[in-house]
Amino acid sequence: GNSVTQMEGPVTLSEEAFLTINCTYTATGYPSLFWYVQYPGEGLQLLLKATKADDKGSNKGFEATYRKETTSFHLEKGSVQVSDSAVYFCALSDGAAQGGGNKLTFGTGTQLKVEL
Amino acid sequence: ETGVTQSPTHLIKTRGQQVTLRCSSQSGHNTVSWYQQALGQGPQFIFQYYREEENGRGNFPPRFSGLQFPNYSSELNVNALELDDSALYLCASSLGQGNTEAFFGQGTRLTVV
Repeated sequence: GNSVTQMEGPVTLSEEAFLTINCTYTATGYPSLFWYVQYPGEGLQLLLKATKADDKGSNKGFEATYRKETTSFHLEKGSVQVSDSAVYFCALSDGAAQGGGNKLTFGTGTQLKVEL
Repeated sequence: ETGVTQSPTHLIKTRGQQVTLRCSSQSGHNTVSWYQQALGQGPQFIFQYYREEENGRGNFPPRFSGLQFPNYSSELNVNALELDDSALYLCASSLGQGNTEAFFGQGTRLTVV
């Protein structure tokens, strides 16, 4: 079955540091890949997505590239801010078969703490 | 345009009881998915409803059941509650037919004692 593995946290960085959160996946077929962010006390928000190999998703300074050869979708940001502190989830979708929407398989999440 | 709303926000139940959680989907969305997020874990897919019919189910026992109404709102019912059912239950709505974005509600925190 489908699975997502992401690096364990917490990851603690100083403001303006470079961020990488590793994510690898196992899936049949050609899944779409996502990064979601969960701020304290809130639901999940889509951060970025990529739907095919070599696509780069980007949003709010975050980027991730869909690498089929390494089955990876690592999240990067060049300069983190305190406001980026949250839990980040990598996820994949097996696509929408027979109607309906994405059925997501999530990783366990990586907590990011950014300090001044 | 209203977002996804879930009720209640918090709930405490006793082992063996039954619980119903509710979700109002975002305006115009016809698909609702439910996820269980245990503490410190990623969300796990429970099931999805598309146009009032179940459209896929994760690895959860039959005591987890659901319903979608004509206005596309949805309920998650859990019978014979167990301590391990304690979790954050998330609802996500989307517009079906393709890889469209799923919008999540803030969740219902269920504690089983």
